[in-house]
Amino acid sequence: EPEVTQTPSHQVTQMGQEVILRCVPISNHLYFYWYRQILGQKVEFLVSFYNNEISEKSEIFDDQFSVERPDGSNFTLKIRSTKLEDSAMYFCASRGNEQYFGPGTRLTVT
Amino acid sequence: AQRVTQPEKLLSVFKGAPVELKCNYSYSGSPELFWYVQYSRQRLQLLLRHISRESIKGFTADLNKGETSFHLKKPFAQEEDSAMYYCALRKGFGNEKLTFGTGTRLTIIP
Repeated sequence: EPEVTQTPSHQVTQMGQEVILRCVPISNHLYFYWYRQILGQKVEFLVSFYNNEISEKSEIFDDQFSVERPDGSNFTLKIRSTKLEDSAMYFCASRGNEQYFGPGTRLTVT
Repeated sequence: AQRVTQPEKLLSVFKGAPVELKCNYSYSGSPELFWYVQYSRQRLQLLLRHISRESIKGFTADLNKGETSFHLKKPFAQEEDSAMYYCALRKGFGNEKLTFGTGTRLTIIP
């Protein structure tokens, strides 16, 4: 059964550095999402993406964040200048019948 | 704005006993409700959606619009049910974001 994949599984970075989190959605899906979960808190929506543009974004998704589908398979989330409070689990999802989630990337900002 | 509340952070139930995980929501329109499950070290997986009215792994959930609830129930708990359970809401039917509750960690006591 096809699955959403994410790399890396864990990323450690220093405050102020740029990070790119990568996702490979399920191949015939057209809608893509990023969510995050700060430790001990709920899963929060960041952004949705369709037809090579952002469909919706949350208040969290400020100018430091960007998303891109650079080729036919990858879907990336870039954080330009990481802050300590960006430390979280980041989940990618793609939608067929419903939203299917990747295993997540744990981002630790030190 | 829509909101999902899961009042219990932790729930422990003996094997063979009934399980009920509570979920309440607030949304003025016609929402679509879901239960997602996350087993240890695994990704978020869709367990149930209210429009399907199905039973998965013995779990059922009925949407009660009067009480704005979507409680998850199982008559006889099994050890493999131990996991984190998230209730989620989507506005209408489509490609909108999911709004999650804070989750309930269910532990089945052997």
